Amino acid sequence: DQQVKQNSPSLSVQEGRISILNCDYTNSMFDYFLWYKKYPAEGPTFLISISSIKDKNEDGRFTVFLNKSAKHLSLHIVPSQPGDSAVYFCAASGGTDKLIFGTGTRLQVFP
Amino acid sequence: ETGVTQSPTHLIKTRGQQVTLRCSSQSGHNTVSWYQQALGQGPQFIFQYYREEENGRGNFPPRFSGLQFPNYSSELNVNALELDDSALYLCASSLAWGPTDTQYFGPGTRLTVL
Repeated sequence: DQQVKQNSPSLSVQEGRISILNCDYTNSMFDYFLWYKKYPAEGPTFLISISSIKDKNEDGRFTVFLNKSAKHLSLHIVPSQPGDSAVYFCAASGGTDKLIFGTGTRLQVFP
Repeated sequence: ETGVTQSPTHLIKTRGQQVTLRCSSQSGHNTVSWYQQALGQGPQFIFQYYREEENGRGNFPPRFSGLQFPNYSSELNVNALELDDSALYLCASSLAWGPTDTQYFGPGTRLTVL
């Protein structure tokens, strides 16, 4: 049972445009959500997080939106840069439960 | 301050063998978590250690075991290897064990079981 789902395996965006990566979850007990970025041959790197008491969190070019009623979160990257090309994982946790990761979305930003 | 390191980078074993993977956490990080990432999947939580004690376990059989040492190093041991154990194994260290404590991942060990 996949509790955290990233239904788009890949996304291709032109440099300078907005990238929107989506994530859905099924467990209503999740109260903390994170996005990680992974380059080849490296471990995942923390990008941004959001608590369930918020519906938006912004950090520079990265903004995460949380829609609790829809059990949906999204990561917006604007403007997209070639260095943003990586695999992006969303992850969720609830209470003392450990992180549950989605399957990832490969983002490619082309010139 | 050094990052999280893992050894070896790659490893090939045969079914039934035992393997030990190693992780060196960031200095001062009392928590280490281990994840298994199968091809095309996200990291899946194996277990977590906090100050040398197991502090949570995912849905993995007992043949997956771990140790954490006072010098911020840790091990993941897998006995009786199966073909499905082939995956990237990631360790992540953090200051504490709460979900809001940022986890810093190592580059992983790629294990192939033949």
